[in-house]
Amino acid sequence: EDKVVQSPLSLVVHEGDTVTLNCSYEVTNFRSLLWYKQEKKAPTFLFMLTSSGIEKKSGRLSSILDKKELFSILNITATQTGDSAVYLCAVSYSGNTPLVFGKGTRLSVIA
Amino acid sequence: NAGVTQTPKFQVLKTGQSMTLQCAQDMNHNSMYWYRQDPGMGLRLIYYSASEGTTDKGEVPNGYNVSRLNKREFSLRLESAAPSQTSVYFCASRDHWENQPQHFGDGTRLSIL
Repeated sequence: EDKVVQSPLSLVVHEGDTVTLNCSYEVTNFRSLLWYKQEKKAPTFLFMLTSSGIEKKSGRLSSILDKKELFSILNITATQTGDSAVYLCAVSYSGNTPLVFGKGTRLSVIA
Repeated sequence: NAGVTQTPKFQVLKTGQSMTLQCAQDMNHNSMYWYRQDPGMGLRLIYYSASEGTTDKGEVPNGYNVSRLNKREFSLRLESAAPSQTSVYFCASRDHWENQPQHFGDGTRLSIL
């Protein structure tokens, strides 16, 4: 059973649309949740969230964590073709365990 | 700011050949990781090293070995390459104890004929 589940798996939108990507996770020993963007190269870090209800924001991207309902959302407003990528959610759990990655959401923004 | 540096960036091998992928980080991170990523698929963890002197298997360790040479360097070795190991390999590092973000190298694209 997957510990980190992202939805939808893929999404096609038009430039200017607003999108919401979802990530749900298991609660046991949760430390933090991270979002990454992956274009045709290595994943690049976007946000790390540890506290519930506090929004992280960078330009048109924002993210929030709900520790009660065990999920996070990544919002992208006024999408551009450069936002086309796979967005990965990862969760850090306590102990020596590596990050657990979801399968990603593939976002395609068309002009 | 070098971050995580991987070498080589590209490599073509013949089946049965061996090679070592190199990874070094300059962020003083204690934990380092090797992933593979196949077309259209997510990241799969091969091996990791939570701290200098320790290594552990990830999800797909068969056919690979690793060495944590020192705190900075973590190498991945293919002893006898197989076509199924054709993939993009990413090294990553993180300060796990301080719960910091993980940073990735640019990747090595490996083709095995």
